[in-house]
Amino acid sequence: DAGVTQSPTHLIKTRGQQVTLRCSPKSGHDTVSWYQQALGQGPQFIFQYYEEEERQRGNFPDRFSGHQFPNYSSELNVNALLLGDSALYLCASTTLGEGNNEKLFFGSGTQLSVL
Amino acid sequence: RKEVEQDPGPFNVPEGATVAFNCTYSNSASQSFFWYRQDCRKEPKLLMSVYSSGNEDGRFTAQLNRASQYISLLIRDSKLSDSATYLCVVNRMDSSYKLIFGSGTRLLVRP
Repeated sequence: DAGVTQSPTHLIKTRGQQVTLRCSPKSGHDTVSWYQQALGQGPQFIFQYYEEEERQRGNFPDRFSGHQFPNYSSELNVNALLLGDSALYLCASTTLGEGNNEKLFFGSGTQLSVL
Repeated sequence: RKEVEQDPGPFNVPEGATVAFNCTYSNSASQSFFWYRQDCRKEPKLLMSVYSSGNEDGRFTAQLNRASQYISLLIRDSKLSDSATYLCVVNRMDSSYKLIFGSGTRLLVRP
């Protein structure tokens, strides 16, 4: 049973470029959240997708957008990259069904470096 | 002020020592509380949930004080493998899993 998988593991971009990160949730999970973790900081919530819609959003600009597909996988897109976007991007999945008590599972992340 | 505050450390302790981490949160609407462990360049992993009654898992004990908005983690008989960053985490709504992380406390256990 595969856990949360993310791709790519590492990525190098230059300022102004656009990037797409991908995530496949753990089997049985229907909800995907994205977090940004800068060096020396804790993960910061970007947004959460459920039923192919953005349910919640953290304090991130519109340059950060996402999508969830019918198979529950998700993409995170960042436009007009800034140096400050360099971070570890973590995907986490769970299921929010009624009565469910499933915890959050994290993928191993995508390390994005913006030069 | 950050919503979840932790002492960044590092805490440098010898094997076998007992070490305690503290965390405070500012949003009284917080409902669920966790400690996560994160190894260098790896993803966070759930260490334990934290309940008002306190809970223990082997060498680890977590406590929650809702009145003071304070969470603690105690590690007894430290092992070298306990070296990691410990993240204090709160969730405002039980069903949403919009987790708010502290910046983490780094623990180094030396031989």
